[in-house]
Amino acid sequence: KNEVEQSPQNLTAQEGEFITINCSYSVGISALHWLQQHPGGGIVSLFMLSSGKKKHGRLIATINIQEKHSSLHITASHPRDSAVYICAVKSYGGSQGNLIFGKGTKLSVKP
Amino acid sequence: EAQVTQNPRYLITVTGKKLTVTCSQNMNHEYMSWYRQDPGLGLRQIYYSMNVEVTDKGDVPEGYKVSRKEKRNFPLILESPSPNQTSLYFCASSLTSTSNYGYTFGSGTRLTVV
Repeated sequence: KNEVEQSPQNLTAQEGEFITINCSYSVGISALHWLQQHPGGGIVSLFMLSSGKKKHGRLIATINIQEKHSSLHITASHPRDSAVYICAVKSYGGSQGNLIFGKGTKLSVKP
Repeated sequence: EAQVTQNPRYLITVTGKKLTVTCSQNMNHEYMSWYRQDPGLGLRQIYYSMNVEVTDKGDVPEGYKVSRKEKRNFPLILESPSPNQTSLYFCASSLTSTSNYGYTFGSGTRLTVV
């Protein structure tokens, strides 16, 4: 079983829809990261969370440490949000500084 | 501009021909790491470095070497590339490995070994 599980694997939405991507993890963590990978391949860091909630523009990320679960929400989705969204956790154990990655959620927003 | 610079972006090479993928960061970050990304497997760590002259293996180190002689540079060396090393490679850096800071990723290197 993977230590970081994301759902759904693929998601198609209409422009304007509210989108939720989920991430569950099984290890103790010091932080959780949400990353965005555009079709061109580059990876951009969206959020780093260790508790609570963060908001940046139309993106909101939440984490529940007790339940070992995080969600990434996109409000008023737009075709330019189409990308792969990757959840990654920094665990207490294992190699220092290492991130453990989920396999990603591929989001496609149709106009 | 704060960034991680990887070169080259694309590389096609033949089996056994030594190659180096360079990675450089201008943020004075202590921590640097190399990942490979393969379909269905996601991102996996190859090697990492917590500071100058300090490197260690990640999850998939076989067939790779690294060095960290200066803080800004962390090259990935494939001494004898094989087709199973065809992949998309990313270098990333962070201020330190022990505290919670964000990670900055390079633009990626798409390597094909024939």
